Amino acid sequence: NAGVTQTPKFQVLKTGQSMTLQCAQDMNHNSMYWYRQDPGMGLRLIYYSASEGTTDKGEVPNGYNVSRLNKREFSLRLESAAPSQTSVYFCASSPTREEQGQPQHFGDGTRLSIL
Amino acid sequence: GENVEQHPSTLSVQEGDSAVIKCTYSDSASNYFPWYKQELGKGPQLIIDIRSNVGEKKDQRIAVTLNKTAKHFSLHITETQPEDSAVYFCAASISGTGRRALTFGSGTRLQVQP
Repeated sequence: NAGVTQTPKFQVLKTGQSMTLQCAQDMNHNSMYWYRQDPGMGLRLIYYSASEGTTDKGEVPNGYNVSRLNKREFSLRLESAAPSQTSVYFCASSPTREEQGQPQHFGDGTRLSIL
Repeated sequence: GENVEQHPSTLSVQEGDSAVIKCTYSDSASNYFPWYKQELGKGPQLIIDIRSNVGEKKDQRIAVTLNKTAKHFSLHITETQPEDSAVYFCAASISGTGRRALTFGSGTRLQVQP
């Protein structure tokens, strides 16, 4: 029962390099999310996808792009990494497109360091 | 936008005691309030949630209460055990077309002393 799978688990980049964080869910959920977690700040939403084919900005989208490749997969791309993007990145998914909140299920994160 | 404040930031209790974590939210349109437990090196795991049409919900040793008038909600853990030690996050979701993203509190590190 995999749930939400994120790859890679750890990554070190140099300033200016690019990379894509991968996320896949096997729960047939419609909505997917990318968050970053910094010490003492909880989780902040970067981008989300309410359903396949749609994406929207969250609270901290600058410096990131996303792609909802299909219903299962939602990737996060850093085009030109900066030290301020050092963080732990979490992908999440939730089941429905309805108005009221639905439980979000999280992956175990990607720990990204940018030197 | 929504703002969620969480207190305390750290909480230490003796095994068997109760623990209470409190959150306040700013937007009266919020209608969904989950609580997550995060263990070291893992992603947040949903432990209980409550919707705005309910004042209290229990699941074994865990309960959540919601006061919509005061815009605050609390997590209560009774008979704490060492395995309850983790970081706990509250969150709130604002209703609106296509938008169910969560706004998180800053977290509470709970330590249960054996």
